Amino acid sequence: DVKVTQSSRYLVKRTGEKVFLECVQDMDHENMFWYRQDPGLGLRLIYFSYDVKMKEKGDIPEGYSVSREKKERFSLILESASTNQTSMYLCASSRPGGNTIYFGEGSWLTVV
Amino acid sequence: SQKIEQNSEALNIQEGKTATLTCNYTNYSPAYLQWYRQDPGRGPVFLLLIRENEKEKRKERLKVTFDTTLKQSLFHITASQPADSATYLCALDKGHNQGGKLIFGQGTELSVKP
Repeated sequence: DVKVTQSSRYLVKRTGEKVFLECVQDMDHENMFWYRQDPGLGLRLIYFSYDVKMKEKGDIPEGYSVSREKKERFSLILESASTNQTSMYLCASSRPGGNTIYFGEGSWLTVV
Repeated sequence: SQKIEQNSEALNIQEGKTATLTCNYTNYSPAYLQWYRQDPGRGPVFLLLIRENEKEKRKERLKVTFDTTLKQSLFHITASQPADSATYLCALDKGHNQGGKLIFGQGTELSVKP
């Protein structure tokens, strides 16, 4: 069974803290994605990666960075957390060429 | 600008009836469209994919249509059950050669009453 695992389900961080959200997939997928989901706004793409050490900005990359040192792992980094980054973050992966995206269970981040 | 719209209001139906959810888009030429189910507090789960050259796709009690002229997809759940209650998201690829990046609608919440 395919699996995308997000290491933290619930986090509470202070404004200005550096935050790492980790994601691991066991399907040997080349593509990995980070989305955030907010009420009324749906899922919005933050960053994605087609391969190790490769990254591209999505629709809302400001305030975020990513790291992909290994094929199975894609990390989202909030350099200096702000309250407007309070959200549910979803990691996902897929094979090249599109098709089904497999999501993790999500990480709920609250910035106070 | 590119836009996807789903029924913003929740859909309440009686068990056994057919639920129909709508997804409209503008300024896109997607190669395919997908539907996902999302339960509260969980990540979305893939249900169906339909390609631009397909008019209809079925999977068990689910049926999806895709009209590229109307720029609309309809998602049907026949013989609905309370267990079908969830939020349903439609998603489109950003177009050819966009590497599988998807744009999601806001989702429609479906509630099936016994």
